[in-house]
Amino acid sequence: DAKTTQPNSMESNEEEPVHLPCNHSTISGTDYIHWYRQLPSQGPEYVIHGLTSNVNNRMASLAIAEDRKSSTLILHRATLRDAAVYYCILNGIGGSNYKLTFGKGTLLTVNP
Amino acid sequence: DGGITQSPKYLFRKEGQNVTLSCEQNLNHDAMYWYRQDPGQGLRLIYYSQIVNDFQKGDIAEGYSVSREKKESFPLTVTSAQKNPTAFYLCASRPRGSTNEKLFFGSGTQLSVL
Repeated sequence: DAKTTQPNSMESNEEEPVHLPCNHSTISGTDYIHWYRQLPSQGPEYVIHGLTSNVNNRMASLAIAEDRKSSTLILHRATLRDAAVYYCILNGIGGSNYKLTFGKGTLLTVNP
Repeated sequence: DGGITQSPKYLFRKEGQNVTLSCEQNLNHDAMYWYRQDPGQGLRLIYYSQIVNDFQKGDIAEGYSVSREKKESFPLTVTSAQKNPTAFYLCASRPRGSTNEKLFFGSGTQLSVL
């Protein structure tokens, strides 16, 4: 039972921004929000993570709601190489939080 | 370079046979994880280990076993009790005490039944 909820699929056009949502209503105060993406037949790769403040890196931006119960991964200009399954997970410690659970993720399709 | 190595990349299992998937990391990470992925599905947690000589069942542990005798190694055995073992298996690791550290994944092992 994943602690996060994401849409099954989303579609975007090349060079347009993409906003991938994630709900995590049971997040605890020490949980970081992590995003990974997976290309077919490969292991997932790290995209970005954050705790409370919005975060930017060369791959994407992460916008975190003030109550931390949701977040949005933002790809500013989608490319064909961004077509992948995107996973949002909560990275916590202590007790069952060591058990890192992935959901089904969001399959992003990018149209040329 | 530091990272996680999974081997073999492809593995075939005969009926009633046990097979072992290897996962080795040189990142000095305490925590290691095994996930199973079926076509078109997300990752499901099989087993995880927070420290040497300790491991816990994940959501789908039946038919699988693990050991954690060394920090860098976390092998997964798919036993004959696992009736539907065909899947893509992924190993991951992270530092135990920090949530501000990313997960590292191996490149996976595709297991098929002959």
